Amino acid sequence: DQQVKQNSPSLSVQEGRISILNCDYTNSMFDYFLWYKKYPAEGPTFLISISSIKDKNEDGRFTVFLNKSAKHLSLHIVPSQPGDSAVYFCAASALGNQFYFGTGTSLTVIP
Amino acid sequence: KAGVTQTPRYLIKTRGQQVTLSCSPISGHRSVSWYQQTPGQGLQFLFEYFSETQRNKGNFPGRFSGRQFSNSRSEMNVSTLELGDSALYLCASSLAPGGRDTQYFGPGTRLTVL
Repeated sequence: DQQVKQNSPSLSVQEGRISILNCDYTNSMFDYFLWYKKYPAEGPTFLISISSIKDKNEDGRFTVFLNKSAKHLSLHIVPSQPGDSAVYFCAASALGNQFYFGTGTSLTVIP
Repeated sequence: KAGVTQTPRYLIKTRGQQVTLSCSPISGHRSVSWYQQTPGQGLQFLFEYFSETQRNKGNFPGRFSGRQFSNSRSEMNVSTLELGDSALYLCASSLAPGGRDTQYFGPGTRLTVL
């Protein structure tokens, strides 16, 4: 049972434009969310997090939005750069228990 | 500060054999979680150890086991290997246990079962 879903396996964006990566979840008890970026042959690298008491968190070019009523999470990257090309995973946890990960979205930023 | 290290980076085994993977967390981190990554499946949680105790376990058969030592280093063992166990095995460490803190990942061990 996939509790965290990333329905877009891939996304292509022009350099300088906004990249929007989406993530949906089914468990209403999830209260802590993370985004990771993964390059081939490397482990995932932490990008940004958000707790359920917030609906937005920003860190430089990266902003995460949380819509609890829709059980939806999104990551915005502005402006997108070629070095952002990677696989992006969202993850969620409930009450301090294990993290559940989505299947990832492969982002390609075209120069 | 050194990151999470995993050894070995690559392994090739045959069906029926067993394998042990090692993970050294970031200094000061006491929680270590293990994940299996296969194409199309994302990261599947295996188990988490905190202060030498298994805190959570994912939905994997008993062939998958682990332990954590007093210095927080962790090992994962898979017995009676099957072809489907071929995957990238990732470990992640954090200061706090479970889903209350950011997890930092190692580069992974790529296991191939022939």
